Amino acid sequence: QVQLVESGGGVVQPGRSLRLSCAASGFTFSTYTIHWVRQAPGKGLEWVALISYDGNTKYYPDSVKGRFTISRDNSKNTLYLQMNSLRAEDTAVYYCARDSLGWNFDYWGQGTLVTVSS
Amino acid sequence: SYVLTQPPSVSVAPGQTARITCGGNNIGSKSVHWYQQKPGQAPVLVVYDDSDRPSGIPERFSGSNSGNTATLTISRVEAEDEADYYCQMWDSSSAHVVFGGGTKLTVL
Repeated sequence: QVQLVESGGGVVQPGRSLRLSCAASGFTFSTYTIHWVRQAPGKGLEWVALISYDGNTKYYPDSVKGRFTISRDNSKNTLYLQMNSLRAEDTAVYYCARDSLGWNFDYWGQGTLVTVSS
Repeated sequence: SYVLTQPPSVSVAPGQTARITCGGNNIGSKSVHWYQQKPGQAPVLVVYDDSDRPSGIPERFSGSNSGNTATLTISRVEAEDEADYYCQMWDSSSAHVVFGGGTKLTVL
């Protein structure tokens, strides 16, 4: 069955960096666009980034553009999110989610918590 | 950038019908998707492309989209339907995914 498992979260000081990973299984990873979506404590869902199946197309909202970088390794069935210059407002649970090919998310990981605090 | 507006909360008695709206400029011309999220869990897709249901989602969940409002309708509401619901769409003009602010459904 389709599985997405995030890892790499933790507590980090403001201004520092962190890299999240998302290990995929149960489907042909290299044929799907994948997204990162985050949720601050007690808040709604916020889209963070997407990467096309081949890694050639990437999009970000203004809130993370220039600080976050999404990438993938299709040989390892793994998605990454490199987060630099972290801010307190980046504190959230970060989910990876598979795009169903219709710009919606049919499978989600369980999420990994990132806390930015001094 | 495109904005999706949801009511913060909706309350309904068991067995009744809940309607959760998602407002946006000419949203009827776009495909809208809906997610259910229970506390401590990842979101689950319950309606996609305005009105289609993924396999395993009860027929009680349905959707519509016209004009400036998309609507998620939950018929014969059950206690287990109590959750947060989010609408979502792809804004091709900005190449951004957009989520509504979410609606907390309370089953009285």
